[in-house]
Amino acid sequence: DIQMTQSPASLSASLGETVTIECRASEDIYNGLAWYQQKPGKSPQLLIYNANSLHTGVPSRFSGSGSGTQYSLKINSLQSEDVASYFCQQYYNYWTFGGGTKLELK
Amino acid sequence: QVQLKETGPGLVQPTQTLSITCTVSGFSLTSYYMQWVRQTPGKGLEWMGFIRSGGSTEYNSEFKSRLSISRDTSKNQVFLKMNSLKTEDTGVYYCARDRYNSFDYWGQGVMVTVSS
Repeated sequence: DIQMTQSPASLSASLGETVTIECRASEDIYNGLAWYQQKPGKSPQLLIYNANSLHTGVPSRFSGSGSGTQYSLKINSLQSEDVASYFCQQYYNYWTFGGGTKLELK
Repeated sequence: QVQLKETGPGLVQPTQTLSITCTVSGFSLTSYYMQWVRQTPGKGLEWMGFIRSGGSTEYNSEFKSRLSISRDTSKNQVFLKMNSLKTEDTGVYYCARDRYNSFDYWGQGVMVTVSS
């Protein structure tokens, strides 16, 4: 099974700041990676697929990058509505999720 | 518009069977794979299994022996059944639509508590 290690587990940032969340796979996943946002009490929402493709309707301040085993999600100009937990998911070999990053406002 | 909604019991006793229905609208089950994911305090988000647009299924080996996924296309419903429940199965269960392997629409989730 492919393991996904996400960091940091929690993050505090100020409005307008740029935030980066990392995800490392236990083996090469060939860009088979998605990022999701989950607000408290809600279901996860797709942000990024294929490592760097923005899902329909997602603000352009979100972007994804990476290759091989290392991937990242960047949020430019942090907004209050971005306070949430973020999860990576690999789908190169079935599906596995990272442990999540809880993003709060400083 | 695309909608998914899970319905199921809030409380299940240990060793009993969990049954959850996912009712969808706005798309056809014969055109998309449908996934089941759960979120538990102990293991976070876990992929459980899926049913293909053609009706075949695959399961996470963690659940394979006790999990079954099926559907009724005439009713736009997908079903999850899992037996031999344990307290560790307590969590929120989601159905999601699979769009080229990422999950583009999710249901609201159903909270399941396993307790006597």
